[in-house]
Amino acid sequence: ETGVTQTPRHLVMGMTNKKSLKCEQHLGHNAMYWYKQSAKKPLELMFVYSLEERVENNSVPSRFSPECPNSSHLFLHLHTLQPEDSALYLCASSQVRGTEAFFGQGTRLTVV
Amino acid sequence: QKEVEQDPGPLSVPEGAIVSLNCTYSNSAFQYFMWYRQYSRKGPELLMYTYSSGNKEDGRFTAQVDKSSKYISLFIRDSQPSDSATYLCAMSASGGSNYKLTFGKGTLLTVNP
Repeated sequence: ETGVTQTPRHLVMGMTNKKSLKCEQHLGHNAMYWYKQSAKKPLELMFVYSLEERVENNSVPSRFSPECPNSSHLFLHLHTLQPEDSALYLCASSQVRGTEAFFGQGTRLTVV
Repeated sequence: QKEVEQDPGPLSVPEGAIVSLNCTYSNSAFQYFMWYRQYSRKGPELLMYTYSSGNKEDGRFTAQVDKSSKYISLFIRDSQPSDSATYLCAMSASGGSNYKLTFGKGTLLTVNP
């Protein structure tokens, strides 16, 4: 396994469901990120973890809850989502104080 | 004014053409500049990385940064159908722990055989 791996690749969930997205990086990086990509919008940074500590939360609704148990793993816990939360959710990693971010393939989320 | 402006296209060119993709930005603190390529239904893939002003070449790809004009470009020579993708510019400021990337919206490129 190399790079950044995200599971699942596709997820359909109802507004009352609870689900989690998983990200794992095999690059030895110590910063990890969640981004949201919606049609016709720039990538939106949601959360940043640096050395397993959350350092940024860009006014993301509380229905999104990140978890970083160690420098290789990142989760995004989802509950009571809205249809407008349907998007591609991307995980990325980099070195702390580095700038090149490497992305996973993303999870295509559809909220029905 | 948005921090990063990128024409979304779409841009359609014949195979073999030279492609020019551009972004402008407003934040003079940006020092690191990247271009990502994103194929449909895939994550962005880092293509080019440049620090400060100047040019960088990698095979058919050349990245240029003009900090005085706050303008960056990506040139693709001898474009191929496999270059068809969305190209995203990204940039970040220098110093300390500022690792936040700011992205453009992306330009959709189609190279026709």
